[in-house]
Amino acid sequence: GESVGLHLPTLSVQEGDNSIINCAYSNSASDYFIWYKQESGKGPQFIIDIRSNMDKRQGQRVTVLLNKTVKHLSLQIAATQPGDSAVYFCAETAGENEKLTFGTGTRLTIIP
Amino acid sequence: GAVVSQHPSWVICKSGTSVKIECRSLDFQATTMFWYRQFPKQSLMLMATSNEGSKATYEQGVEKDKFLINHASLTLSTLTVTSAHPEDSSFYICSARDQGRISGANVLTFGAGSRLTVL
Repeated sequence: GESVGLHLPTLSVQEGDNSIINCAYSNSASDYFIWYKQESGKGPQFIIDIRSNMDKRQGQRVTVLLNKTVKHLSLQIAATQPGDSAVYFCAETAGENEKLTFGTGTRLTIIP
Repeated sequence: GAVVSQHPSWVICKSGTSVKIECRSLDFQATTMFWYRQFPKQSLMLMATSNEGSKATYEQGVEKDKFLINHASLTLSTLTVTSAHPEDSSFYICSARDQGRISGANVLTFGAGSRLTVL
């Protein structure tokens, strides 16, 4: 079946450095993508989203890049802080029914 | 901002008993809520879509008679795990869509989750 996956299950980054988390998706019909942050014992927290008619979107310290040709998206976090340590999930959906398919997740650890 | 509350945040029960988890949208109305389960170090898997005033739509492989979903009002959906067994131990998370906002997944708000441990 269709799935959304991640290349790296864990990532350790020095505080202050930039981090890049990658995600591959296989559903060519997906037209909306979201990155979520999940801290231990909590629900997912929305970070940033992007629609398929865009290839880049920036937020505060975060940037999402979408490459539809290779079905890949990434989350860049600039100037990482200890509070950025969490598991990050990409999610995708096709159409407006908001049924999200989550990727496998990447655990980001910020080293002080 | 939109807030979704789940209760209880954690529960321990004996095998064979039933457990009810509540999902409430505190400051908005939600005609649609979603229930997920998440095993340790794994991703969220959609279990079912809860529709206010109608039957829930279950994902393939999810037993509707075991995971009873009721969405009786625009602010409350409940998930009841019936005859729970140790393999049902998991983190259950709901999300709700603010029907007053333009559609799109960014209008989904997630609850903090409910951790179920079945002994």
